[in-house]
Amino acid sequence: QKEVEQDPGPLSVPEGAIVSLNCTYSNSAFQYFMWYRQYSRKGPELLMYTYSSGNKEDGRFTAQVDKSSKYISLFIRDSQPSDSATYLCAMSYGNQFYFGTGTSLTVIP
Amino acid sequence: NAGVTQTPKFQVLKTGQSMTLQCAQDMNHNSMYWYRQDPGMGLRLIYYSASEGTTDKGEVPNGYNVSRLNKREFSLRLESAAPSQTSVYFCASSYGGYNEQFFGPGTRLTVL
Repeated sequence: QKEVEQDPGPLSVPEGAIVSLNCTYSNSAFQYFMWYRQYSRKGPELLMYTYSSGNKEDGRFTAQVDKSSKYISLFIRDSQPSDSATYLCAMSYGNQFYFGTGTSLTVIP
Repeated sequence: NAGVTQTPKFQVLKTGQSMTLQCAQDMNHNSMYWYRQDPGMGLRLIYYSASEGTTDKGEVPNGYNVSRLNKREFSLRLESAAPSQTSVYFCASSYGGYNEQFFGPGTRLTVL
């Protein structure tokens, strides 16, 4: 079983839609949870970072962590064509980082 | 600040050749990491350096060696390249293990 599971998609939505991206994990030792965005042929860039259960909001993005269910989500409100990218969830404890395989998102104008 | 830089951007090798991928960061981070990214496999950690002078194996270290040259630089060496090492390689850095990582632009390596 992989440490982190993420639905690869692809996911295609119309502009303005609310997007929900999800990951599950198996290791209860994970303490830090991150979401990265990766445009084609570029390196991942950090979007959100949290270490506690609950919600964290940053503009149109909301990260949600449920440690009891070992489940994290990223919500994108009012999605834009510029949000079209691959979204990677990541989790860590100490220097051990584990990434999901990424969900490919396309926002159609 | 340039952030995390990697050289080269692209490289084609023949089986058995060697090469070194270079990485540097200007954010005064303590920890540095090397990942490979393959379709359907996501990012997998090859080696990391928690601090200057230390290195540790990650999930897929076979066929690779690393050197933490100083606080800024962390290189990845392929001694005898194999087609299975065809991948995109990313370097990342962070203040420490409990902090988010920042990634470089990647090196696309093809081994024929």
